Amino acid sequence: NAGVTQTPKFRILKIGQSMTLQCTQDMNHNYMYWYRQDPGMGLKLIYYSVGAGITDKGEVPNGYNVSRSTTEDFPLRLELAAPSQTSVYFCASSSRGRFEVVEKLFFGSGTQLSVL
Amino acid sequence: GQQVMQIPQYQHVQEGEDFTTYCNSSTTLSNIQWYKQRPGGHPVFLIQLVKSGEVKKQKRLTFQFGEAKKNSSLHITATQTTDVGTYFCAVPSGSARQLTFGSGTQLTVLP
Repeated sequence: NAGVTQTPKFRILKIGQSMTLQCTQDMNHNYMYWYRQDPGMGLKLIYYSVGAGITDKGEVPNGYNVSRSTTEDFPLRLELAAPSQTSVYFCASSSRGRFEVVEKLFFGSGTQLSVL
Repeated sequence: GQQVMQIPQYQHVQEGEDFTTYCNSSTTLSNIQWYKQRPGGHPVFLIQLVKSGEVKKQKRLTFQFGEAKKNSSLHITATQTTDVGTYFCAVPSGSARQLTFGSGTQLTVLP
């Protein structure tokens, strides 16, 4: 099983450039998430989705956009990249538990992004 | 949103010593999850605790959920170099469809 696959693994952007981080999962999970992790820090939720066509903001959504056209894919778009967006980005997915509570998260291997 | 305090931020131990990390919430939690992230890696799920006073063991790891469901701990007995990494607790937040992570405890094990 591939699980959660993220591409690319590394990327360097110039200030003002745009890019899309790809995330796909093959576990038929309803819930998908994007987190960012700054060096030595915890994980901050950027956006999440509870199903195809449904997305919602997390703790730090500014400067990002997402879409969820299929159950499998949940791309994260960075518009007008800024140095503050230098971070490691993790995509994760989860099944929908009892009473729609999130179950355990399966993480992708991450994308290390530098904005210079 | 939901916040959870995790302490300590860093812990250095000699191999063979024990290690404990704690998570504390100001509100009652429906459940709490624990994850481990190896250096350069991604977080990996360890366990979920749901019941008040619950204790679960995985080999040398012991997880506890407080009686009031406001705190939790992860204890490692006789640490090994393979235990190196950052340990995070995570709690449901918002509509309970999100997970909020603690700030993590970075464990270093000295051989």
